[in-house]
Amino acid sequence: GDSVTQMEGPVTLSEEAFLTINCTYTATGYPSLFWYVQYPGEGLQLLLKATKADDKGSNKGFEATYRKETTSFHLEKGSVQVSDSAVYFCALSDQRGRRALTFGSGTRLQVQP
Amino acid sequence: NAGVTQTPKFRILKIGQSMTLQCAQDMNHNYMYWYRQDPGMGLKLIYYSVGAGITDKGEVPNGYNVSRSTTEDFPLRLELAAPSQTSVYFCASIPGAAGNTIYFGEGSWLTVV
Repeated sequence: GDSVTQMEGPVTLSEEAFLTINCTYTATGYPSLFWYVQYPGEGLQLLLKATKADDKGSNKGFEATYRKETTSFHLEKGSVQVSDSAVYFCALSDQRGRRALTFGSGTRLQVQP
Repeated sequence: NAGVTQTPKFRILKIGQSMTLQCAQDMNHNYMYWYRQDPGMGLKLIYYSVGAGITDKGEVPNGYNVSRSTTEDFPLRLELAAPSQTSVYFCASIPGAAGNTIYFGEGSWLTVV
């Protein structure tokens, strides 16, 4: 079945550092790929998405490129802020049948001033 | 639009009790989902529905039941609550077309003691 693998956290960075959170997936067909962010005690917010190979999703300084050849969708940000501290989830959506999201286990990011 | 509305937000149950988590969406979405999120983990699919009158199991359906009598409502029933069902529950919906963004409710925090 479909699966998503993320790098384990926590990831601890200083403010203004460069961020990369790795995400790889296994799926049949051509899934859509997503990054969600979850702040403490809150629900999930869509951060960005890409629906086909070579698409780049971007939002609030975060970027991720859909790489079909490496089955990856790594999240990057050039300069993180303390307010970016949260848990980040990579997910894929099958484009047939149930269209449900399959999530990775999440990566906690801690940004220190 | 209200989007996806879940009730209650918080609930404490005793072992063996039963309860229903309510979920309603006002966007006329065909697909609806129930996920659970255990501490430090990603979301796991419990049940889903592709339209009124149609439901099916996800990855972790044991101990739960659902119904979909209308397009708007997708309640999740917990029978004979167990401590292992302590979790945060998220309801979600999408229109159904490929690539659509999934809309999440704010979550229901359930503790079984």
